[in-house]
Amino acid sequence: GAGVSQSPSNKVTEKGKDVELRCDPISGHTALYWYRQSLGQGLEFLIYFQGNSAPDKSGLPSDRFSAERTGGSVSTLTIQRTQQEDSAVYLCASSLRGQGDSPLHFGNGTRLTVT
Amino acid sequence: GDSVTQMEGPVTLSEEACLTINCTYTATGYPSLFWYVQYPGEGLQLLLKATKADDKGSNKGFEATYRKETTSFHLEKGSVQVSDSAVYFCALRDSNYQLIWGAGTKLIIKP
Repeated sequence: GAGVSQSPSNKVTEKGKDVELRCDPISGHTALYWYRQSLGQGLEFLIYFQGNSAPDKSGLPSDRFSAERTGGSVSTLTIQRTQQEDSAVYLCASSLRGQGDSPLHFGNGTRLTVT
Repeated sequence: GDSVTQMEGPVTLSEEACLTINCTYTATGYPSLFWYVQYPGEGLQLLLKATKADDKGSNKGFEATYRKETTSFHLEKGSVQVSDSAVYFCALRDSNYQLIWGAGTKLIIKP
């Protein structure tokens, strides 16, 4: 079946512009995560959605970052007034359940470059 | 709080060598443990998992055993291939939805 799909795969933007990153999770997965991965670094948690519950936004680095998940499916991560330090790969993952041994399934990521 | 510690990389081996990537954890409960692999230019993929003490996860010739007494989940493979070159992440999930990630270990296999 289809995996997690992210678009665009690459995005180059000028400093100060807004960008929107999209994630299509696996159908039926109730949990959705966004992570950021800087070059050669580990995973930085950004935000978590579970069903219709309020999201855990504790990882968002500033108020320029926001995310929504419509209808419990597609999610968009928006970065306003982008800065060069926002350059990274943004990874989306979904999980059948957000607990226990239910693994995360990752998309291939969006590589964001802010010039 | 919970944490995962992995051996630092890069780890460089010759083809057909034996591999061990160490992973130790601290957790208050009884976590599920995971190894993920990230091939160049790709997203992370689940490699294997274990849910309770003494469980052994295995996939693609890789194995890891959940050792509660030593709080470890070391990744092993008897004979590595060039195609195994990737970054390997150890992770745990304890009582809630968050996964706690190790920093990743880059593995380089030379022909």
